[in-house]
Amino acid sequence: EDKVVQSPLSLVVHEGDTVTLNCSYEVTNFRSLLWYKQEKKAPTFLFMLTSSGIEKKSGRLSSILDKKELFSILNITATQTGDSAVYLCAVEARWSGGGADGLTFGKGTHLIIQP
Amino acid sequence: NAGVTQTPKFRILKIGQSMTLQCTQDMNHNYMYWYRQDPGMGLKLIYYSVGAGITDKGEVPNGYNVSRSTTEDFPLRLELAAPSQTSVYFCASSLEGFYYGYTFGSGTRLTVV
Repeated sequence: EDKVVQSPLSLVVHEGDTVTLNCSYEVTNFRSLLWYKQEKKAPTFLFMLTSSGIEKKSGRLSSILDKKELFSILNITATQTGDSAVYLCAVEARWSGGGADGLTFGKGTHLIIQP
Repeated sequence: NAGVTQTPKFRILKIGQSMTLQCTQDMNHNYMYWYRQDPGMGLKLIYYSVGAGITDKGEVPNGYNVSRSTTEDFPLRLELAAPSQTSVYFCASSLEGFYYGYTFGSGTRLTVV
């Protein structure tokens, strides 16, 4: 059974700190790993990672994938109160024809940035 | 502990047909959600519910209906299916609200032809 585990489940830091969110996975026929930010009810897409060792960067956010050790990290530097959200990790598996696209979600990390 | 169970996993509908996507959770979560996942578009919220008897529209509710008669069940109804509703549908639940961690179902792939 495919599994995605995020840690920590919640994290409280002060503005300006750097945070690292973790996502480990066990899936059959891995295709990609996705990070989302959820502030209200619909997640906002952040990154899609398919290759090991290649960092994706967007402003203060960056992410990298390790396909050998089966994990990804999401880094946020110089955090701001607007970064407070739930960060979701999802892993996509190649569709074998037997069901949905094989998108398995973690439970999310609740990040709170205090002023 | 089954978590969130979605059925069916896969379905093909003809234009104009109707169907119900089932979603059941056994964790006593009061919040439940329906999302659709289109390629390259990310998740979009269709409807959500904060408890039995209470439902509200999300970002893309047109063409869908929901009901929440019990805490456990949150079915999504498609009336008069259209090709634009071809997507992968995910049901999710959480305790109190999205800040308390989601549990997602395994998804339903729907094709409308």
